[in-house]
Amino acid sequence: EPEVTQTPSHQVTQMGQEVILRCVPISNHLYFYWYRQILGQKVEFLVSFYNNEISEKSEIFDDQFSVERPDGSNFTLKIRSTKLEDSAMYFCASGGLAASYNEQFFGPGTRLTVL
Amino acid sequence: AQSVTQLGSHVSVSEGALVLLRCNYSSSVPPYLFWYVQYPNQGLQLLLKYTSAATLVKGINGFEAEFKKSETSFHLTKPSAHMSDAAEYFCAVSDRSSGGYQKVTFGTGTKLQVIP
Repeated sequence: EPEVTQTPSHQVTQMGQEVILRCVPISNHLYFYWYRQILGQKVEFLVSFYNNEISEKSEIFDDQFSVERPDGSNFTLKIRSTKLEDSAMYFCASGGLAASYNEQFFGPGTRLTVL
Repeated sequence: AQSVTQLGSHVSVSEGALVLLRCNYSSSVPPYLFWYVQYPNQGLQLLLKYTSAATLVKGINGFEAEFKKSETSFHLTKPSAHMSDAAEYFCAVSDRSSGGYQKVTFGTGTKLQVIP
């Protein structure tokens, strides 16, 4: 069964450094998302992406965040200058053009630790 | 904006007992509703989803949920808890749309503990 994959599974970085989190969505999906889960808290929506542009972004998704689909398979989340509070699990998700529901398929997540 | 409320951040049940995890949604029209499970240090796995085809939805691992419009609820149940059910469970909602895109809004989660 097709699945969303994410790399790396765990990234440790120093505060102020740039990180890029990578995702490979399911191949025939057209909608792509990033979510964040700070330890012990709920999963929060960050951004959605369709047709090579951001469809919607949350208040969390400020200027230090960016997303890109550099080729036909990858979907990346870049954090330009990481802060301690960016430490979280980041989930990528993708969805298709299902007519009856909006199920999103989630990847296993990347745990980002900012020191 | 869509939202879901999960009552009880922690629920403990004995092995073999009924599992009931509560979720209420706020929406003027019936949305799409989901239950996800997250095992420790793992990602999100879809348990089941409500898409209006049937009000009683059966999912994986013996779980089911019933959509009750009059109560704006979508509670998750399992007749007999197993030790392997210990995990965190998230109720989630998204709007209906024709285009396929919609963000998912998650509840705060309920940690299920199963006591031997």
